[in-house]
Amino acid sequence: QQQVKQSPQSLIVQKGGISIINCAYENTAFDYFPWYQQFPGKGPALLIAIRPDVSEKKEGRFTISFNKSAKQFSLHIMDSQPGDSATYFCAASKEGGSEKLVFGKGTKLTVNP
Amino acid sequence: NAGVTQTPKFQVLKTGQSMTLQCAQDMNHNSMYWYRQDPGMGLRLIYYSASEGTTDKGEVPNGYNVSRLNKREFSLRLESAAPSQTSVYFCASRPGTATGELFFGEGSRLTVL
Repeated sequence: QQQVKQSPQSLIVQKGGISIINCAYENTAFDYFPWYQQFPGKGPALLIAIRPDVSEKKEGRFTISFNKSAKQFSLHIMDSQPGDSATYFCAASKEGGSEKLVFGKGTKLTVNP
Repeated sequence: NAGVTQTPKFQVLKTGQSMTLQCAQDMNHNSMYWYRQDPGMGLRLIYYSASEGTTDKGEVPNGYNVSRLNKREFSLRLESAAPSQTSVYFCASRPGTATGELFFGEGSRLTVL
């Protein structure tokens, strides 16, 4: 049972464009939604995270939008750069409960110069 | 700042052989995790340890065993390797139940022939 569904599987964007990756979750008990960024040959690293008490969180060019009623959240990368080319994973968990962080299957982003 | 260190980085095994992947963290984290990453499958949790002295199964535990040797070290053992265990394995740690950020190692690429 896949608890976090991520789309698209791959995404190609031109430099300066907006990259959008979407995730949907099933478990309404989830209350922590991070995004991880992974470069080839490296382990994933936390990029940005949001909790359901806010609808949007922005850090630089990266923004998470959260829709609690639709059980969806998305990552927007503004002014995408070739250095943003990586695989992005959304995830979800319930703080204070299970130790498990459930990941989406990932989106491979390519930003062309 | 070593963070999470995994050894070995690469390993080739024959079907039926055994091996242990080692993981150590120097951040004084309570929780440690083993994930496997396969193309199109994202990150799947194999086992985790919420604290020293405890271990629990994740999503795909079959064919693996773990040992939380002490607070720093968490090893993953394949008793009788199978081709289906060919994957990239990531160890991760985080402070505890109250925070969500996972810190990953750089991965161990295992090929089972």
